[in-house]
Amino acid sequence: DAGITQSPRHKVTETGTPVTLRCHQTENHRYMYWYRQDPGHGLRLIHYSYGVKDTDKGEVSDGYSVSRSKTEDFLLTLESATSSQTSVYFCAIRVQGHYGYTFGSGTRLTVV
Amino acid sequence: GIQVEQSPPDLILQEGANSTLRCNFSDSVNNLQWFHQNPWGQLINLFYIPSGTKQNGRLSATTVATERYSLLYISSSQTTDSGVYFCAVISNFGNEKLTFGTGTRLTIIP
Repeated sequence: DAGITQSPRHKVTETGTPVTLRCHQTENHRYMYWYRQDPGHGLRLIHYSYGVKDTDKGEVSDGYSVSRSKTEDFLLTLESATSSQTSVYFCAIRVQGHYGYTFGSGTRLTVV
Repeated sequence: GIQVEQSPPDLILQEGANSTLRCNFSDSVNNLQWFHQNPWGQLINLFYIPSGTKQNGRLSATTVATERYSLLYISSSQTTDSGVYFCAVISNFGNEKLTFGTGTRLTIIP
């Protein structure tokens, strides 16, 4: 199985502070994704990447930025955290060769 | 963008029962996935099925792409089947954006 880890697993931060979440994969899969999950909304795509320095916006990208300077790392930054960004954040990779996806264990972020 | 609707939103069944979950989508797709999110939050990929039928043990899935729907069948339900089932698609114009439905929450009672 493709290895994918998210860090931190839990974070509490104050409104207005910047926050960076990290997604790390142990293989060289091209596509990586950031989603947020909220009750009643399922998973909504924030940003995704199709290669080093190649990223695109999803449906809920406002207030978020991403960077991918290495194949194995995809960073999600909340530039100035707001209470509406309290959520569970999932990273995913598209596993090359068989069309499947592997998800990380999630990061529970609370903005107070 | 593409819309993905799942039904029913909630389903409660006795252990041993069979169930059918439905996913409707609003546009033609080149990728359709089914996922299971267990009660601890972990998401597991069940099927890649943009068309046709696949089976894996007690689970099977069918996608009728021309009519824009997919069905997930669970037979002889077990308590470990509990959780939320998501359908996710990429439209033919979606540039690799995997869009999720809002899910079906399945609860299996012993």
